[in-house]
Amino acid sequence: DTGVSQDPRHKITKRGQNVTFRCDPISEHNRLYWYRQTLGQGPEFLTYFQNEAQLEKSRLLSDRFSAERPKGSFSTLEIQRTEQGDSAMYLCASSLKLSSYNSPLHFGNGTRLTVT
Amino acid sequence: AQKITQTQPGMFVQEKEAVTLDCTYDTSDQSYGLFWYKQPSSGEMIFLIYQGSYDEQNATEGRYSLNFQKARKSANLVISASQLGDSAMYFCAMAGAQKLVFGQGTRLTINP
Repeated sequence: DTGVSQDPRHKITKRGQNVTFRCDPISEHNRLYWYRQTLGQGPEFLTYFQNEAQLEKSRLLSDRFSAERPKGSFSTLEIQRTEQGDSAMYLCASSLKLSSYNSPLHFGNGTRLTVT
Repeated sequence: AQKITQTQPGMFVQEKEAVTLDCTYDTSDQSYGLFWYKQPSSGEMIFLIYQGSYDEQNATEGRYSLNFQKARKSANLVISASQLGDSAMYFCAMAGAQKLVFGQGTRLTINP
């Protein structure tokens, strides 16, 4: 039983550099979500996909952030020109049903980004 | 807009005691779902329990139960017979049709 997989687990980068994270959802799940979590806070929604379509983006997702889900399978989250404020845990989650209100999200272990 | 409020930043409980973690929510939706997740120090988010807005009975999953009071807009998590392994962050979350919105969390510490 493979869960949601995220790579890398940790990323340290210098301010101004670009970084890309990958998420492999549970194979039969058609919904994929990205969240950001800072220390001591709850996860904050960034964006989500239904199959390959990106259906919603949070205002937190500035122009420096872009997410893709080609072919409706894995997803990537890219941050360009990283800033220290981007330091956080980036969580990916997936779910099966079209409506998330009765379908729990299954989370990966996250990618912890540190911008120096 | 949906909002989740968890007013207890931290809770300390003796092992084997029951503990209640508070969660209140705000929404104008008629149909919604309420979830609780556990996040140990290792970082993964573990789904614990779900309650639908139209469910007449409170949800239970093993030692976890959800005290759902719709009129008061509260969805408290009750953990019975707490164990040392229950020490973690606990998040309440609400879903409409599109995504989960999380509260700030409660850090639960179980003392031996």
